[in-house]
Amino acid sequence: DAKTTQPTSMDCAEGRAANLPCNHSTISGNEYVYWYRQIHSQGPQYIIHGLKNNETNEMASLIITEDRKSSTLILPHATLRDTAVYYCIVRAYNFNKFYFGSGTKLNVKP
Amino acid sequence: GAVVSQHPSWVICKSGTSVKIECRSLDFQATTMFWYRQFPKQSLMLMATSNEGSKATYEQGVEKDKFLINHASLTLSTLTVTSAHPEDSSFYICSAREEGWYQETQYFGPGTRLLVL
Repeated sequence: DAKTTQPTSMDCAEGRAANLPCNHSTISGNEYVYWYRQIHSQGPQYIIHGLKNNETNEMASLIITEDRKSSTLILPHATLRDTAVYYCIVRAYNFNKFYFGSGTKLNVKP
Repeated sequence: GAVVSQHPSWVICKSGTSVKIECRSLDFQATTMFWYRQFPKQSLMLMATSNEGSKATYEQGVEKDKFLINHASLTLSTLTVTSAHPEDSSFYICSAREEGWYQETQYFGPGTRLLVL
């Protein structure tokens, strides 16, 4: 699976959009981009995933660049409850395993 | 999203004893479940893949005789930490793979915190 690179931490003001970048320059054609988040002392929560098209659901939007070498997770109106570690994972669709990197600690501030 | 539960949520045990942790998929069937371990301030580390009806496969460096995995049914996998020692104290998290033509993803349990005294 391709390696991902994320900033260690980011700050965001409550009510503003949080844009979390992820670099996956070695991604291959059959690999999907998944995003999870982990709130302190809980199991990871699925957010969204995509292959090459932008995706949106009730939680977030996922923007994947045309060359697929990077992506951005967008939380449109961050709240204090969105404070968590966000993990970007690249995984081939027909392979089971997820390998977690170090993620980005998002701090949403009032 | 799909729901995965774990039991117990926390456990304290004496060194040398064995501890069993259950992972259940509540509203879907999962032929594949996964077990992770997380130490404080670190990321999740995949320990093993639990396969219904067959033996678990372990990641490199994980002792299969110490961490026994049984996938008894399509909704239940168990992890038994045998002869636990203080260094086994950690946050253990399971996930279950929900299969589908597009929505194939993993859903995680809430985790089990193990403290070995």
